[in-house]
Amino acid sequence: AQRVTQPEKLLSVFKGAPVELKCNYSYSGSPELFWYVQYSRQRLQLLLRHISRESIKGFTADLNKGETSFHLKKPFAQEEDSAMYYCALNTGGTSYGKLTFGQGTILTVHP
Amino acid sequence: NAGVMQNPRHLVRRRGQEARLRCSPMKGHSHVYWYRQLPEEGLKFMVYLQKENIIDESGMPKERFSAEFPKEGPSILRIQQVVRGDSAAYFCASSPPTEGQPQHFGDGTRLSIL
Repeated sequence: AQRVTQPEKLLSVFKGAPVELKCNYSYSGSPELFWYVQYSRQRLQLLLRHISRESIKGFTADLNKGETSFHLKKPFAQEEDSAMYYCALNTGGTSYGKLTFGQGTILTVHP
Repeated sequence: NAGVMQNPRHLVRRRGQEARLRCSPMKGHSHVYWYRQLPEEGLKFMVYLQKENIIDESGMPKERFSAEFPKEGPSILRIQQVVRGDSAAYFCASSPPTEGQPQHFGDGTRLSIL
């Protein structure tokens, strides 16, 4: 069965420190992975997806099929990065996006 | 583009009543998804619809829950005879008909059962 695990419910760092939000998945098919972010009082929005291999707001994430991981990283955290982050796996195949979400990690960046 | 619109934002019902949650997708989007988020949990897929068709309802509870996306008007998630365990946040997302496009989410409806 497909599953997404985000082992850290809460993560606190200081401004300027590196940050890594962990995500592991379990899926027998070819995975398509996303990171979604929810800032305070805003709706859930797409941060990045592994197939685009781009950096958004300084964040990157690399799909590691051997370790079944898709960790989100940023070398220098900013206060405005404080938010809830969800890792999600598309299990609908290529035809549509049936997303399986992790439980989310609340990131707090202290000044 | 106003984005995905869900209403109401908050809905309170007593046990046994019906709850109707509405979702208007983004302009140009013909695919709608419903997710449920129970307290302390991640979002869980419920159903995927296209206009007038249910494509995948594998995440829908077998009883009391139904969804539709008519030719005209918003998508509706309907919960009959609500129970306390239905209290959750219900999120709608939409995507365009082009394959592989990411989903855009609404603000969600927080359903509370008294």
